[in-house]
Amino acid sequence: GAVVSQHPSRVICKSGTSVKIECRSLDFQATTMFWYRQFPKKSLMLMATSNEGSKATYEQGVEKDKFLINHASLTLSTLTVTSAHPEDSSFYICSARDLAPNLNEQFFGPGTRLTVL
Amino acid sequence: AQTVTQSQPEMSVQEAETVTLSCTYDTSENNYYLFWYKQPPSRQMILVIRQEAYKQQNATENRFSVNFQKAAKSFSLKISDSQLGDTAMYFCAFMSHDTGTASKLTFGTGTRLQVTL
Repeated sequence: GAVVSQHPSRVICKSGTSVKIECRSLDFQATTMFWYRQFPKKSLMLMATSNEGSKATYEQGVEKDKFLINHASLTLSTLTVTSAHPEDSSFYICSARDLAPNLNEQFFGPGTRLTVL
Repeated sequence: AQTVTQSQPEMSVQEAETVTLSCTYDTSENNYYLFWYKQPPSRQMILVIRQEAYKQQNATENRFSVNFQKAAKSFSLKISDSQLGDTAMYFCAFMSHDTGTASKLTFGTGTRLQVTL
C-alpha cells in the first residue's frame, strides 16, 4: 500500500514557540491531505483539509491562524502550530488521498506527538 | 452531517475466538463508503476493511468480515480466530461518495479490543 511519512515523530517545545510538522506521501501524489488531532484514548478529530496549490479548509472551531497549513507540492503538506501552549499538546496525524486509482481511500502517517511545556 | 456511533468502548476476547464490534451511522445519503480502521499501540492507523454502500455483498478480508445492513444503517465487524496481534483500538468510519466533501472521513469513538490468552 501507499506510504505516508510524518516528521518529526515527537517534539517537545516551550510555550510560545512555533512547531512545524511535515506530512509526505512517499510513493504517490496527493492533491488532498488531511490533518487530524487525537487526544489520549479518543477518536480522531479532523482539523483541516489541505489542498495542493490552494488554501486549506478548516473544520468548525479550528483556529486557522493558530494551525497554519501549507500544501506546496503534490507530496508535501505542513502543519505549523503557532505560539504553542500546553493545551495544544496532542497527537497529530495526517493522511493523504491517492489521485488514482482508489479515490476513496486515505493513507495515514504514523503521527506526531507534540508536548508543549 | 453524518454521525458514527460505536456503543462498545471496550471488549475482550480470548485467542482463537470470534468477536463482533458494533457500529451504527446516520446519513441521508445513498452512496457512501464505510471503513474499519485498526490503531494498535504504535498508533499507526491501518485499514482493516472497506464496504461500498451500493454493494449488497458483505466485504471480507481473511479473518475480518462485515455485516452491512444498509436499511438499519449498521456496519459491524467480525473478527474470527482472534490473535494477540488483533489487540488494538478499532474505529468505524464513514465517507461520503460526494466528491464535494473531499473524501472526508467521519470516525466513531472507537472500541478498544483486548485479545487474551
